[in-house]
Amino acid sequence: GIQVEQSPPDLILQEGANSTLRCNFSDSVNNLQWFHQNPWGQLINLFYIPSGTKQNGRLSATTVATERYSLLYISSSQTTDSGVYFCAGVNTGTASKLTFGTGTRLQVTL
Amino acid sequence: NAGVTQTPKFRVLKTGQSMTLLCAQDMNHEYMYWYRQDPGMGLRLIHYSVGEGTTAKGEVPDGYNVSRLKKQNFLLGLESAAPSQTSVYFCASSRGTAYTEAFFGQGTRLTVV
Repeated sequence: GIQVEQSPPDLILQEGANSTLRCNFSDSVNNLQWFHQNPWGQLINLFYIPSGTKQNGRLSATTVATERYSLLYISSSQTTDSGVYFCAGVNTGTASKLTFGTGTRLQVTL
Repeated sequence: NAGVTQTPKFRVLKTGQSMTLLCAQDMNHEYMYWYRQDPGMGLRLIHYSVGEGTTAKGEVPDGYNVSRLKKQNFLLGLESAAPSQTSVYFCASSRGTAYTEAFFGQGTRLTVV
């Protein structure tokens, strides 16, 4: 199966700062999603982004499918952004399995 | 619109006991999945189903069984619980796999003592 590598593993930001999270895939994917797991454990869908760029408020994501990576941008971070961010994808060659990275743990401080 | 609902939210089992986790979705999705999440790790696929009456093994299927008798429901069973099955279990559903978005339930925290 594919390997999904996320960086950095941990990130501490002061409120108002910007950050970029990265997700690298070992093989091509045709279904890429970003999730936020909040401190209560809920998995919130952020972006479904197989390719291109999308924006939603202070968050945006870019996927370059040909180079097998995706980026999540968080601007003007807030304490409510704290939690773990996961990317996940489905390998083009092996259907039915959404493979997750191990996540980036973000803490936003005042 | 409830989306994906898991029952129960919390459970404590003794080693050797059995239990069933229920996942229900109201989005008419074909695909349903069960994942487990352990501390410091991402989510790992236990079993999945590509439609009513079908099931298939994922990465970590040992010790679990599943059934999909109705399209909207996906059941995960533990026949003889072990401490290694202490985890948070997530159910998800999607219309398909390629080029479709998956949606997750709120999770079930299971402790086996």
